[in-house]
Amino acid sequence: DIQMTQSPSFLSASVGDRVTINCKASQNINRYLNWYQQKLGEAPKLLIYNANSLQTGIPSRFSGSGSGTDFTLTISSLQPEDVATYFCLQHNSWPFTFGSGTKLEIK
Amino acid sequence: EVQLVESGGGLVQPGRSLKLSCLASGFTFSNYGMNWIRQAPGKGLEWVASISSSSSYIYYADTVKGRFTISRDNAKNTLYLQMTSLRSEDTALYYCARPKFLTTVAPFAYWGQGTLVTVSS
Repeated sequence: DIQMTQSPSFLSASVGDRVTINCKASQNINRYLNWYQQKLGEAPKLLIYNANSLQTGIPSRFSGSGSGTDFTLTISSLQPEDVATYFCLQHNSWPFTFGSGTKLEIK
Repeated sequence: EVQLVESGGGLVQPGRSLKLSCLASGFTFSNYGMNWIRQAPGKGLEWVASISSSSSYIYYADTVKGRFTISRDNAKNTLYLQMTSLRSEDTALYYCARPKFLTTVAPFAYWGQGTLVTVSS
């Protein structure tokens, strides 16, 4: 199985900061990497698919990059509404596997 | 508008069975593969199972293989998850999810609100 190592597990940043979250795959997953945002009590929301494609309706301050084994989610200017837990997911091969999550808070 | 509504969760004793349903609307259900994903209380996300649009291809996580069965009824726009031999570690909020594209089961673009399964004596 492909292991997804996500870091950091917790992140505290100020409004307006640039924030980066990383996911590392245990083997090559090409660009089959997605990023999800989950706010408290809500279902996950797709932010980025296929490593760098912005999902419809998602603000442009969110972006994704990477290929192969190393991927990054970037929030260019952190907003209060971005408080959430963020997960990566690989769907290059079965079984699909999620990262362990990054809890993002406002400092 | 795409809507996915899960049902069938509840409190069940270890070793017993439960069947979850996910009623889909707002899109042509028979055209899309579908998925179940779960989340234990306060924990991360775990992919559980996927099924292709015509049920030709089915995949399971190792943690549920042999105990859970994913199926669908395209005439009823409904996805199912039959769970047997339930264990305490199956306690979770179970989500159904639709992919963004017709041709694959991922990425998961649309999610229901989930149905809670609690396995306890």
